[in-house]
Amino acid sequence: AQKITQTQPGMFVQEKEAVTLDCTYDTSDQSYGLFWYKQPSSGEMIFLIYQGSYDEQNATEGRYSLNFQKARKSANLVISASQLGDSAMYFCAMWRRNTPLVFGKGTRLSVIA
Amino acid sequence: SAVISQKPSRDICQRGTSLTIQCQVDSQVTMMFWYRQQPGQSLTLIATANQGSEATYESGFVIDKFPISRPNLTFSTLTVSNMSPEDSSIYLCSVAPGDPYEQYFGPGTRLTVT
Repeated sequence: AQKITQTQPGMFVQEKEAVTLDCTYDTSDQSYGLFWYKQPSSGEMIFLIYQGSYDEQNATEGRYSLNFQKARKSANLVISASQLGDSAMYFCAMWRRNTPLVFGKGTRLSVIA
Repeated sequence: SAVISQKPSRDICQRGTSLTIQCQVDSQVTMMFWYRQQPGQSLTLIATANQGSEATYESGFVIDKFPISRPNLTFSTLTVSNMSPEDSSIYLCSVAPGDPYEQYFGPGTRLTVT
């Protein structure tokens, strides 16, 4: 069975600094995808970034980048130049074709002014 | 892309009552999913709802408690029956139109049971 592990329940980062949120996964499939979502206190799930298992380059979306290390089965999210509005829960999730997403337990990020 | 709306956005209900949550998508999708997020927790899949077939429930969730309808390719409902305070959660509808990077979520329904 596929599994997502986020080992950091909470993280603090100084405004304008970079922060890395960890995510490891476990699957025997060759084809899969990894997502990161942001969930502010409003409860909505905001898509941040996606990495496919066959993508050779690490995904980037603005201030978000995904450090994908396939052999180590890790897909860490890097947020550069943190902003106060980045304070939220962050979830890592795994996709396989025709199956629903499986989520990690999440990391609560707090950005300090 | 897909735009999803949910009704109601939030509700406060008394124990023992039932609430039906609606999920509307602006395009036709085969697969729809219902998730529950209890306070301070991650998202847990309740069931997969495909049009034209019975919903498939995950372990720990049963049809009598969470009946689901999927009358067409753009709409689904989830009912939370005989509610207790433990059902207080955010309920989220999600769709996967096809491409792996396309996973969309509705804004969620925040339910409080008193």
